[in-house]
Amino acid sequence: QSVLTQPPSVSAAPGQKVTISCTGSNSNVGKNNASWYQHLPGTAPKLLIYDNNQRPSGIPDRFSGSRSGTSATLGIIGLQAGDEADYYCGTWDTSLRAGVFGGGTKVTVL
Amino acid sequence: QLQLQESGPGLVKPSETLSLTCTVSGGSISSSSYYWGWIRQPPGKGLEWIGNIFYSATTYYSPSLKSRVTLSIDTSKNQFSLTLTSVTAADTAVYYCARRLYSSAQFDFWGQGTLVTVSS
Repeated sequence: QSVLTQPPSVSAAPGQKVTISCTGSNSNVGKNNASWYQHLPGTAPKLLIYDNNQRPSGIPDRFSGSRSGTSATLGIIGLQAGDEADYYCGTWDTSLRAGVFGGGTKVTVL
Repeated sequence: QLQLQESGPGLVKPSETLSLTCTVSGGSISSSSYYWGWIRQPPGKGLEWIGNIFYSATTYYSPSLKSRVTLSIDTSKNQFSLTLTSVTAADTAVYYCARRLYSSAQFDFWGQGTLVTVSS
């Protein structure tokens, strides 16, 4: 059971939009900035979003992030076949004094 | 460009100790701007944070693994290490090392990961 809750899967057709939620509590997402990672099988996870809504250099603006209260959201627009991957949210939990991740969401491009 | 590379045995027997090392190149592990962390992914499951270490050897551990985990750092070799004792099949996973900013929670650089299987 992950500290952060994500939907197991989302799907959409090419060119469409998907959103992935990450629900936590006042000791993690509600208190500390969230980050998002894209994970393709056999590769290292890639940082997509940090500080809730910032993109590292090289990440296209099709990817966006937001936070409201104790939930963070990742949005992907203009969905492409190459976006098929597992996506994870993560942050620090102040009460646990530990890093925490969501359970992951598999994005399928129909 | 910063690079991280995990190394260590790919097979460990049950009840024994798992030891992995992460070698950092292209940057100094002694920087006060970063933590260095370990994350794992069991087969078919999600990412699990194991722990972080600072260049001063300050550590933070997962509550569920705290009794069995030790992180250490060797600034002279630009390496940090993970030791996990009394392993079971549940510790079979791909183990990643990564860099985390001191002031924020994101891991911005990751190693490629190494599969460790616990089996007799």
